[in-house]
Amino acid sequence: DQQVKQNSPSLSVQEGRISILNCDYTNSMFDYFLWYKKYPAEGPTFLISISSIKDKNEDGRFTVFLNKSAKHLSLHIVPSQPGDSAVYFCAASDSWGKLQFGAGTQVVVTP
Amino acid sequence: DAGVIQSPRHEVTEMGQEVTLRCKPISGHDYLFWYRQTMMRGLELLIYFNNNVPIDDSGMPEDRFSAKMPNASFSTLKIQPSEPRDSAVYFCASSPPTGTSGYNEQFFGPGTRLTVL
Repeated sequence: DQQVKQNSPSLSVQEGRISILNCDYTNSMFDYFLWYKKYPAEGPTFLISISSIKDKNEDGRFTVFLNKSAKHLSLHIVPSQPGDSAVYFCAASDSWGKLQFGAGTQVVVTP
Repeated sequence: DAGVIQSPRHEVTEMGQEVTLRCKPISGHDYLFWYRQTMMRGLELLIYFNNNVPIDDSGMPEDRFSAKMPNASFSTLKIQPSEPRDSAVYFCASSPPTGTSGYNEQFFGPGTRLTVL
């Protein structure tokens, strides 16, 4: 059973605009959330994370928002750049080391 | 640092053959993870080790799959016999000892694309 869901398989956005990726989870025991970015023929690379005690974490152009009551998190990329075109995975953990991943969202940034 | 190293990068084999995937984690990392990525199921954790000891293998699909970590710098994932439904990209990841935050990011290798005909 998928406990982490990314319901949008793809997202197309113009360069310079905001990209918003969404992720929902079902397990209330999850206490740490991460976003990974993956280019073709490469492994996923860590992008940004957030602990369940926070509702927002920002790192440069990337911001992750967490809404625990709704069991929802989102990743905002502002402004979007062509190099941001990749697959983005949402992941969650309820105990150290074991991650549950979503299916991924393919982001395409167009000129 | 060279990062997590996986070999081979691509493997094509016939149904029934034994397949062995290899992983060298980042030096100093004491956690090692094996994942499988498919279109249907996304990224799923198969097994993970801490200090060379298997901690959780609940994600291993069936007895045809086995994993070992004979030392801190090497791990294998073996499929015997292989079946067409095993076709996927297999990732190895490692992470350093737990810090004060209680969580450390995982560093992924480039993956092995397995095709079973």
